[in-house]
Amino acid sequence: DGGITQSPKYLFRKEGQNVTLSCEQNLNHDAMYWYRQDPGQGLRLIYYSQIVNDFQKGDIAEGYSVSREKKESFPLTVTSAQKNPTAFYLCASSISSGENQPQHFGDGTRLSIL
Amino acid sequence: ILNVEQSPQSLHVQEGDSTNFTCSFPSSNFYALHWYRWETAKSPEALFVMTLNGDEKKKGRISATLNTKEGYSYLYIKGSQPEDSATYLCAFRAVNQFYFGTGTSLTVIP
Repeated sequence: DGGITQSPKYLFRKEGQNVTLSCEQNLNHDAMYWYRQDPGQGLRLIYYSQIVNDFQKGDIAEGYSVSREKKESFPLTVTSAQKNPTAFYLCASSISSGENQPQHFGDGTRLSIL
Repeated sequence: ILNVEQSPQSLHVQEGDSTNFTCSFPSSNFYALHWYRWETAKSPEALFVMTLNGDEKKKGRISATLNTKEGYSYLYIKGSQPEDSATYLCAFRAVNQFYFGTGTSLTVIP
């Protein structure tokens, strides 16, 4: 079955450490997205990528970095510069960013600071 | 950052009741309005993508309408069932970015 796989489901980070959240899709989608959810807030866009080797910042990109070396993969690194990284992170993909197609989501990763 | 608002925040209805909720969004730079259903411990699932003013879409007992001139969309559920219990999210698409509301949490009581 096609879908989006996020790993791990739960992640713990010590202060000052970088951690990388994995997102893999086998839907052959061009566009991929990373969102962050905090209590009482809607999903907020961190980064998105419309095509391999290209990505753009969303509204809350500070303290995060991404890469898009393969179509299937869009890992998100939470750096030590992100002062409040505890949150639920969702990865999504869509056929392309130019078409009005729905997004498909992974199951999410919950990141906590030790 | 664009403001997308959903109301009510939460809703409890009896099985068999019909219900509706609202998504409000900016009326300028409109590309599309998405509705998603998010069940606990699962990933959000797409319900509708709406693009034209006056659009009405239907999927089983769930339907949605769109008014881009005044910036709102309604989601209707007819004859609610316990399996409809979920959080319903709307997302406003502006160019290549999506702006999500905080969702309406629906609980259907058997």
